[in-house]
Amino acid sequence: NAGVTQTPKFQVLKTGQSMTLQCAQDMNHEYMSWYRQDPGMGLRLIHYSVGAGITDQGEVPNGYNVSRSTTEDFPLRLLSAAPSQTSVYFCASSYRGQGPSTFGSGTRLTVV
Amino acid sequence: GQQVMQIPQYQHVQEGEDFTTYCNSSTTLSNIQWYKQRPGGHPVFLIQLVKSGEVKKQKRLTFQFGEAKKNSSLHITATQTTDVGTYFCAGLTSGTYKYIFGTGTRLKVLA
Repeated sequence: NAGVTQTPKFQVLKTGQSMTLQCAQDMNHEYMSWYRQDPGMGLRLIHYSVGAGITDQGEVPNGYNVSRSTTEDFPLRLLSAAPSQTSVYFCASSYRGQGPSTFGSGTRLTVV
Repeated sequence: GQQVMQIPQYQHVQEGEDFTTYCNSSTTLSNIQWYKQRPGGHPVFLIQLVKSGEVKKQKRLTFQFGEAKKNSSLHITATQTTDVGTYFCAGLTSGTYKYIFGTGTRLKVLA
């Protein structure tokens, strides 16, 4: 089925470890973005991309890196995990000019 | 930076009552989107508003974009238990590609 696929669904990391959250879409959407959602809170924009080779910072980019080598994939890298990065991470995509229209099912990350 | 606030934070209604959530931005928006998120789920896109004063309807849901493009509202007529969830707005500030989400309104519907 067409959509946004996020892996893994759950992850536990130790403080200081690094990892990559994967995000892939098959709708040929130009715009992709990463959000984090803390319990009972709204979504905060981490990084976004308007097309392959183009990325930019959102509201809370510190501690995260992204790249966009293809239209389909937009991985999010945690450089050195901290307990403050415990959250649910959502990847989203859309056509340029639209807000995020399709979200992945999320990655629930716990940093201990 | 851009801030998007929503009120109320929580709303409990009896089934059949109406519900409205309001979204207010600190900056003028190019467009605004509305989403619904069920508990434990991911946000689901509902609608996009682009024009000043625009009003759109989806069955029992009415969405409005303010004349100054700094505020918006979502009104649900005759709520049902299936309307339970958190409703978010997300606005795009002119000249950027950053879609900033509001703080959300959590709706509970009592049968």
